[in-house]
Amino acid sequence: EPEVTQTPSHQVTQMGQEVILRCVPISNHLYFYWYRQILGQKVEFLVSFYNNEISEKSEIFDDQFSVERPDGSNFTLKIRSTKLEDSAMYFCASSLEGGTGELFFGEGSRLTVL
Amino acid sequence: DAKTTQPNSMESNEEEPVHLPCNHSTISGTDYIHWYRQLPSQGPEYVIHGLTSNVNNRMASLAIAEDRKSSTLILHRATLRDAAVYYCILREPHSGNTPLVFGKGTRLSVIA
Repeated sequence: EPEVTQTPSHQVTQMGQEVILRCVPISNHLYFYWYRQILGQKVEFLVSFYNNEISEKSEIFDDQFSVERPDGSNFTLKIRSTKLEDSAMYFCASSLEGGTGELFFGEGSRLTVL
Repeated sequence: DAKTTQPNSMESNEEEPVHLPCNHSTISGTDYIHWYRQLPSQGPEYVIHGLTSNVNNRMASLAIAEDRKSSTLILHRATLRDAAVYYCILREPHSGNTPLVFGKGTRLSVIA
């Protein structure tokens, strides 16, 4: 069964460093998302992406964050200068349709900022 | 987004049916009702969704009240693997990249 894959599964970084989290969505999907979940808290929407541009973003997704689909298969989330509060599990998701389409989530990338 | 209200936690015995309630009194006429769940240490996964009629799939059933102000996710026979946080989410169907907005959900514990 097709699945969304994310790398790395766990990354430890120093505060102020740049981090890139990578995702390979399901191949025929058109809509892409990043979510994050701080330990013990709810899943929070960060950004959605369609047709090579951001569709919607939350207040969390500030200038420190960016997304890219560089080669038609990968979908990346970059955090320019990490802060302690960026420590979280980051989930990538994709869907074939917008609107009511089912989202398929990856297993997540755990980011720890020291 | 219209809000949903779910109990914080529920408990069920293994192999018994589970009814997970969700209130959404401010639902609009076009909002779909989606259910996702998150197993421990995993990403969320889709369970089921519907608009007005009750829906069944291999995972669960969704019963939607006639006035659409509430719905119930039904797991027909709970297994230990069904222990998870279950999220009831309203989503507009307009074209575009409507994000899912997760609440706190209901944490379901299944007892052997």
